[in-house]
Amino acid sequence: NAGVTQTPKFRILKIGQSMTLQCTQDMNHNYMYWYRQDPGMGLKLIYYSVGAGITDKGEVPNGYNVSRSTTEDFPLRLELAAPSQTSVYFCASKSIGQLYGYTFGSGTRLTVV
Amino acid sequence: DQQVKQNSPSLSVQEGRISILNCDYTNSMFDYFLWYKKYPAEGPTFLISISSIKDKNEDGRFTVFLNKSAKHLSLHIVPSQPGDSAVYFCAASDDMRFGAGTRLTVKP
Repeated sequence: NAGVTQTPKFRILKIGQSMTLQCTQDMNHNYMYWYRQDPGMGLKLIYYSVGAGITDKGEVPNGYNVSRSTTEDFPLRLELAAPSQTSVYFCASKSIGQLYGYTFGSGTRLTVV
Repeated sequence: DQQVKQNSPSLSVQEGRISILNCDYTNSMFDYFLWYKKYPAEGPTFLISISSIKDKNEDGRFTVFLNKSAKHLSLHIVPSQPGDSAVYFCAASDDMRFGAGTRLTVKP
C-alpha cells in the first residue's frame, strides 16, 4: 500500500548509543516531517523538509539530525541517545497544496535505558 | 509559543451521547483547520477539515464548527460510539504544529 513507511517499529537503545530511524514515502510528496509524542503529550515537531536537499529545525531539534538526499527518504539520526529521547516517533509527509493534511507513518517506539 | 491549543486532556462520554472536543487558536490568518484521530500504536489519520471561510463542515457523525471571532473550533461527534475512543488532535494547515490532543473515551 502506498503511504509512509517507518522502520523499525520498536527499538531499545542504551544511553550513548546511536541509531537511525528510517522513513520512506512513495507518494512523491515534497514535504516531510518528524514528530515525537511523549506519553500523555501531544506531537512535537523535531525537523522538517520542504524538498530534497532542504531541511530545517522544528520545536525540539536538539539531539537529532536529519538528511533529505531524495524525495522519498527522510531519516532521523540520534547520535548520543539519552533517556529524554524515549518517545514514539512519527514521520509524516504532505504534497504541496494538499489541503487535507499529512499522511503519517505508524510510528517507531524508542526506549533509551 | 503554541498557536493551536487543546485545553482538555481527556473527555469521557456515554455511548449514544454527543462528544464535543474543543480547540483554540491564536493566528487569525490560518486558512484551514484539521482534526486528526489517533488510535494506540498507530499514526494519526485525517478525520475532517474546515476552511476559514466556512463556519460548519459535516461528514456523517462528525461536524466541525468554526467561530472565527472567538478563534475557536469544536468537533462534535453524534452519536458517539465506543470505536470513537481515541486521541483527537487539531491542527492548522498553515502551521506544522498540533494541539496537545484530547483523549476521548466512549463508554458502552
